[in-house]
Amino acid sequence: GAGVSQSPRYKVAKRGQDVALRCDPISGHVSLFWYQQALGQGPEFLTYFQNEAQLDKSGLPSDRFFAERPEGSVSTLKIQRTQQEDSAVYLCASSLEGRPQEKLFFGSGTQLSVL
Amino acid sequence: RKEVEQDPGPFNVPEGATVAFNCTYSNSASQSFFWYRQDCRKEPKLLMSVYSSGNEDGRFTAQLNRASQYISLLIRDSKLSDSATYLCAVNSPGAGNNRKLIWGLGTSLAVNP
Repeated sequence: GAGVSQSPRYKVAKRGQDVALRCDPISGHVSLFWYQQALGQGPEFLTYFQNEAQLDKSGLPSDRFFAERPEGSVSTLKIQRTQQEDSAVYLCASSLEGRPQEKLFFGSGTQLSVL
Repeated sequence: RKEVEQDPGPFNVPEGATVAFNCTYSNSASQSFFWYRQDCRKEPKLLMSVYSSGNEDGRFTAQLNRASQYISLLIRDSKLSDSATYLCAVNSPGAGNNRKLIWGLGTSLAVNP
């Protein structure tokens, strides 16, 4: 596609509900990142994939958060038993090769509100 | 101390003014530095990578000071369309992943007519 696509754009969940957020990176991009951005804050790193391999998941806040990229393209971030503190914008970004100086292309994000 | 720190502002400047932002980082092993721009309710977009020798792109100049561990962004002849939040991002080497970026809170800029 032309850019990184994320869905849904908005998600409202009741506390305790499970949610799944989808990211479709730019075709051919090897690296994929998930970030969490709370209101008035900068993005916080969650996890990083190189193709289908999850190389770093050190930023996932708890074991309720799980991410996968089984075929090295589309990725899903799943949050189980959502809590109010999970409310944030979840940003997905991709880059062509994953070199440190490479530009990241971000999707528009999924705004999650947990009631 | 946070790994990456920015003055959140807001900076309110008139059109045509020159404005500068700084961003300090704590990890001396960091190698990659960026300025991103984020408009309200939008995703971050890369404004400039920051190179050791400094770099310029039109009205924008980025500098890196490794000794003092900060990066700067200078905007000359500011336009109304420059109003946005400016985020600095620094890579955090370690644990085998030097692609992990640590972000500042962002500096809010409002350019007024």
